[in-house]
Amino acid sequence: GENVEQHPSTLSVQEGDSAVIKCTYSDSASNYFPWYKQELGKRPQLIIDIRSNVGEKKDQRIAVTLNKTAKHFSLHITETQPEDSAVYFCAASEEGQGAQKLVFGQGTRLTINP
Amino acid sequence: ETGVTQSPTHLIKTRGQQVTLRCSSQSGHNTVSWYQQALGQGPQFIFQYYREEENGRGNFPPRFSGLQFPNYSSELNVNALELDDSALYLCASSLNSGRAGELFFGEGSRLTVL
Repeated sequence: GENVEQHPSTLSVQEGDSAVIKCTYSDSASNYFPWYKQELGKRPQLIIDIRSNVGEKKDQRIAVTLNKTAKHFSLHITETQPEDSAVYFCAASEEGQGAQKLVFGQGTRLTINP
Repeated sequence: ETGVTQSPTHLIKTRGQQVTLRCSSQSGHNTVSWYQQALGQGPQFIFQYYREEENGRGNFPPRFSGLQFPNYSSELNVNALELDDSALYLCASSLNSGRAGELFFGEGSRLTVL
């Protein structure tokens, strides 16, 4: 089955700097890669996703890149702000195979220092 | 638009007992997934229900079972509770369109097994 590894487990950056979180996956059949943000005590919320037919996707300060050959994808947050502090989870799934089963990484606790 | 709601928010059980957790889907969604999130870990897929049928299951034993009702709400039942079942149980609803998309999570039910 699919296995998703996420690094680093914790990340601390100065406000205004960029943050990068990396994930690798094992199943080459996976073709959908979302990123969820979970603030303390809150529900996970989708912030961006990418499908395997594209290599990069941007949404304002957030971007995701995908390298299908190497089976890794990354989240990039630019101009970080205090409200970006949260736990971020990457995930992978195979679209179109019945149930949408997301396999999540272990999470990265991002802290933005003022 | 009503979001995903779960109940109860917190509960404490003892080993060997049984528990039922409940979830109301977001309006317009026909699919419900359940995830287990242990402390400091990413969510793990338990199972998914579509049109009242289980259509996908993760690596969880049969003592984890579920139901989906005609109004698309859902229950997660866990029998013979073990200490390791202590976790946050997240329900997520989505619209099954044959294409992977955003999961809308509830706030979760935090289960403690003593």
